[in-house]
Amino acid sequence: ETGVTQTPRHLVMGMTNKKSLKCEQHLGHNAMYWYKQSAKKPLELMFVYSLEERVENNSVPSRFSPECPNSSHLFLHLHTLQPEDSALYLCASSPGQNYGYTFGSGTRLTVV
Amino acid sequence: RKEVEQDPGPFNVPEGATVAFNCTYSNSASQSFFWYRQDCRKEPKLLMSVYSSGNEDGRFTAQLNRASQYISLLIRDSKLSDSATYLCVVNGGSQGNLIFGKGTKLSVKP
Repeated sequence: ETGVTQTPRHLVMGMTNKKSLKCEQHLGHNAMYWYKQSAKKPLELMFVYSLEERVENNSVPSRFSPECPNSSHLFLHLHTLQPEDSALYLCASSPGQNYGYTFGSGTRLTVV
Repeated sequence: RKEVEQDPGPFNVPEGATVAFNCTYSNSASQSFFWYRQDCRKEPKLLMSVYSSGNEDGRFTAQLNRASQYISLLIRDSKLSDSATYLCVVNGGSQGNLIFGKGTKLSVKP
């Protein structure tokens, strides 16, 4: 498998549930990212990992918790989300700064 | 001023038309510029990088004006398959991360 793979593609969860989004990249990239895309808003950067270290946390609520166990894998752990957290969550990777990103196909999350 | 600003459109054009998208960015220290394309309910995909000298890829031409902090994308001979949202992207976060515009929606009609 090549590129950036995200699972699941769709997720419906209740506000008291705990779930995790998974991202895997097979491109040998050093940086991985989580973005949130809500309707009529630009992509919002949530977290950045460079060489498995978190280098940016863009004021994201603590109900979102990232994990990067190695340079190929990235998780987003979700806990007690709100309905306004419903959105498309996109994972991306890049070789480093100043390079374009390759995105996964995203997880469409609905919080009920 | 928003970090990356684009006309949201929609641009509705007939097949074969030439269409131009504009974008302005606020961070004068930005070094990397891109156009991405996003189809409905899909992930963004890199269309082309934008270089200072301007660059062309088939029917697509991108231009950068650093003095005006302005980027453009020209699509010639539009095809139905060009219908999508076009995202202007600039690096400039605290770690040089990419910042995305809201996108301009293009609809090419027969």
